[in-house]
Amino acid sequence: QIQLVQSGGEVKKPGASVKVSCKASGYTFNKYGVSWLRQAPGQGLEWMGWINAYNGDTKYAQKFRGRVAMTTDTSTSTAYMELRSLTSDDTAVYYCARGDWFFDFWGRGTLVTVSS
Amino acid sequence: DIQMTQSPSSLSASVGDRVTITCLASQSISAYLSWYQQKPGTAPKVLISAVSTLQSGVPSRFSGSGSGSGTDFTLTISSLQPEDFATYYCQQGYTAPYTFGQGTKLEI
Repeated sequence: QIQLVQSGGEVKKPGASVKVSCKASGYTFNKYGVSWLRQAPGQGLEWMGWINAYNGDTKYAQKFRGRVAMTTDTSTSTAYMELRSLTSDDTAVYYCARGDWFFDFWGRGTLVTVSS
Repeated sequence: DIQMTQSPSSLSASVGDRVTITCLASQSISAYLSWYQQKPGTAPKVLISAVSTLQSGVPSRFSGSGSGSGTDFTLTISSLQPEDFATYYCQQGYTAPYTFGQGTKLEI
């Protein structure tokens, strides 16, 4: 069955970076895009961006441009999202999901806590 | 950015009730509208894509519709079951950044 398995929770200090991984299985990885979304505590869902797993093309939300990088490793069917210059506002559960304009399979989420 | 406005923000209902949640887009999004269900502590689950296409495994009591204007959309649950109490989000996939409604919390 299709699964997206994310890396474990992280605690980071303000100004640091975090890199979250998302290992896909159960489908042909490079035939679908991978999107990254986040959800701050008690808040709604926010789309961060998308990567084409076939050719590596990316599309980022303006809010995160210059601070986020999405990559893939097709040899291991893994997608990565790195977010730099963290602030407390970046404390959230980060999700990877299969798809570009809608998201049919999701990882369980990775809690990133930014605290001094 | 396209704003997605859901109503109501919360809704109290009972098992067996018919429930309707609406979603209004700030501009036409054609048919690029999806609905998600999220239960506490879990990832969202897609119910419907492209306004009315039921995803595999989703019960037929869930249905989606649009007014044809590309701005007004509805999620209907025909007969609420205990497992349907959750938060529901609409999402537009027409133009990046892809945005979500603020959510509708469905409570007993």
